[in-house]
Amino acid sequence: QKEVEQDPGPLSVPEGAIVSLNCTYSNSAFQYFMWYRQYSRKGPELLMYTYSSGNKEDGRFTAQVDKSSKYISLFIRDSQPSDSATYLCAMSATNAGKSTFGDGTTLTVKP
Amino acid sequence: DSGVTQTPKHLITATGQRVTLRCSPRSGDLSVYWYQQSLDQGLQFLIQYYNGEERAKGNILERFSAQQFPDLHSELNLSSLELGDSALYFCASSPHFDRNYGYTFGSGTRLTVV
Repeated sequence: QKEVEQDPGPLSVPEGAIVSLNCTYSNSAFQYFMWYRQYSRKGPELLMYTYSSGNKEDGRFTAQVDKSSKYISLFIRDSQPSDSATYLCAMSATNAGKSTFGDGTTLTVKP
Repeated sequence: DSGVTQTPKHLITATGQRVTLRCSPRSGDLSVYWYQQSLDQGLQFLIQYYNGEERAKGNILERFSAQQFPDLHSELNLSSLELGDSALYFCASSPHFDRNYGYTFGSGTRLTVV
């Protein structure tokens, strides 16, 4: 079983929709939680970073971490065609720099 | 431009050969990470260096090796290449070795083994 499981998708939504992307994990040591966006096999780009539990908002993006359920989410409000990409969750433990990534969810936002 | 430079962008080589992938981290970052991304797998961690020293190792094959030089650039050496080694290889950098506030990734090297 993988340490990080990500909803596989693909996901297709109309422009303006609210998108929910989700990951679960099994390693209780994970303390750092990240979301990356990757356009067609380009280098992933960091979107959001959260330490431990809680919510974090940045413009149209909100990241949520529920450590009790070992569940993290990324919400995208007012989705745009330019949001069409693969979204990767990533996590790492305290005192460790390496990240464990989910396999990614491919999102298409249709005009 | 993310600030992390990877060369070459594309590489086509034959089975059994050896190649070297190069990465220059973002200015000020001391940690370099190497990841492999295949079509049927996500990003797989290979190895981490911090300020010239190996800090963590993933499921890196014995045929693969890496190093980080005094100027902080890093090289990933892949030898005795097999068809299954065809993948995107990403380098990422960060300021720390023991905390993770997110990486800056390069644009990757696409390796094709024929």
